[in-house]
Amino acid sequence: EAEVAQSPRYKITEKSQAVAFWCDPISGHATLYWYRQILGQGPELLVQFQDESVVDDSQLPKDRFSAERLKGVDSTLKIQPAELGDSAMYLCASSLDRGPYEQYFGPGTRLTVT
Amino acid sequence: QKEVEQDPGPLSVPEGAIVSLNCTYSNSAFQYFMWYRQYSRKGPELLMYTYSSGNKEDGRFTAQVDKSSKYISLFIRDSQPSDSATYLCAMWNSGGYQKVTFGTGTKLQVIP
Repeated sequence: EAEVAQSPRYKITEKSQAVAFWCDPISGHATLYWYRQILGQGPELLVQFQDESVVDDSQLPKDRFSAERLKGVDSTLKIQPAELGDSAMYLCASSLDRGPYEQYFGPGTRLTVT
Repeated sequence: QKEVEQDPGPLSVPEGAIVSLNCTYSNSAFQYFMWYRQYSRKGPELLMYTYSSGNKEDGRFTAQVDKSSKYISLFIRDSQPSDSATYLCAMWNSGGYQKVTFGTGTKLQVIP
């Protein structure tokens, strides 16, 4: 069964350091999403890609966060510099073109900033 | 007021019970309604989605949507300890570009 892959699964970093997360969506899924989930809350969209183009990055803190999907397949989300408030689960999801109602999530990266 | 409201629980039930999980929403433009199951420290897993009003059944799971009341439900029959997880509802409006809106999740514990 096809799955969304993410790495690393866990990351501990110090405040002000740089950190990067990687995601490989399900093959053939043109749409890729990065979400942030704080404990006890639902996922919140950070950025959405359609192929290699950004569709929505309105909630991405652009002063410190960046995301790319250069060849329209896998994607990288970067934080520089990390802040204490960035501690959360970072989830990647993908879906076919027809809509986000059938999106599939990866296992997530649990980030702890100390 | 949040667009999607979900009781955080926790909800504890004995094994074999029928579980009812619910969400209310305020945006009448929502057309797709999804339920996800999330085990601790894992990513959400799509259980099912429903378009517009009505019921949808998949095994022990039944999703109901009542758009007139802006209320959706997920029923789990013959609940098992393996159903213990957080259940997230999510909603989407297909008109124009809209992102999916998630509830905060209800934590369910099924006691053997």
